[in-house]
Amino acid sequence: GAVVSQHPSRVICKSGTSVKIECRSLDFQATTMFWYRQFPKKSLMLMATSNEGSKATYEQGVEKDKFLINHASLTLSTLTVTSAHPEDSSFYICSARVGRGQGTQYFGPGTRLTVL
Amino acid sequence: GENVEQHPSTLSVQEGDSAVIKCTYSDSASNYFPWYKQELGKGPQLIIDIRSNVGEKKDQRIAVTLNKTAKHFSLHITETQPEDSAVYFCAASNLFGNEKLTFGTGTRLTIIP
Repeated sequence: GAVVSQHPSRVICKSGTSVKIECRSLDFQATTMFWYRQFPKKSLMLMATSNEGSKATYEQGVEKDKFLINHASLTLSTLTVTSAHPEDSSFYICSARVGRGQGTQYFGPGTRLTVL
Repeated sequence: GENVEQHPSTLSVQEGDSAVIKCTYSDSASNYFPWYKQELGKGPQLIIDIRSNVGEKKDQRIAVTLNKTAKHFSLHITETQPEDSAVYFCAASNLFGNEKLTFGTGTRLTIIP
């Protein structure tokens, strides 16, 4: 299947700093990527849909100024957690869709964010 | 919006036996149903998916069945092995809509050697 990478795999930061997470589709072009958040022993919660060359679409309750998403190319989307606080600590996972109407989403390995 | 329920939340199976996980969905417009396996500390891995134009799909030891009328679909794993131990998530989406995946709550499967 298609490969999606994320970087970094884990990051620890101080409260008030910003953290950027990269999501790359390695062997295919992804016009659409998705960002999820997962709490321990819980399901995946969709945060936003990232479309190449346009603004991201955020789910209800997700602060767009807090979680900045940039989809600069067909293989790269970034999520920046701004002014991070301990409650932002979580497992962040991206996925990339192979093509519109195909349905299949391939997930990255996730990024564990810990805010002290 | 779509709502996906998944049962059971935990499942323990003797190695070599079969495991079945069931999901129900609420939106009749949903037409794509993938299953993901997630190991601890990793991202979900697609293991099988089914579209609404078929009722069953099989890939070696894994099979998925879909009942559109009843709005439920199931994952079947036969001849289970210790490496099948993981958390499994079902999901549903509408390929002709926004294609967002709505996930079930997950099933922690433990294979007992």
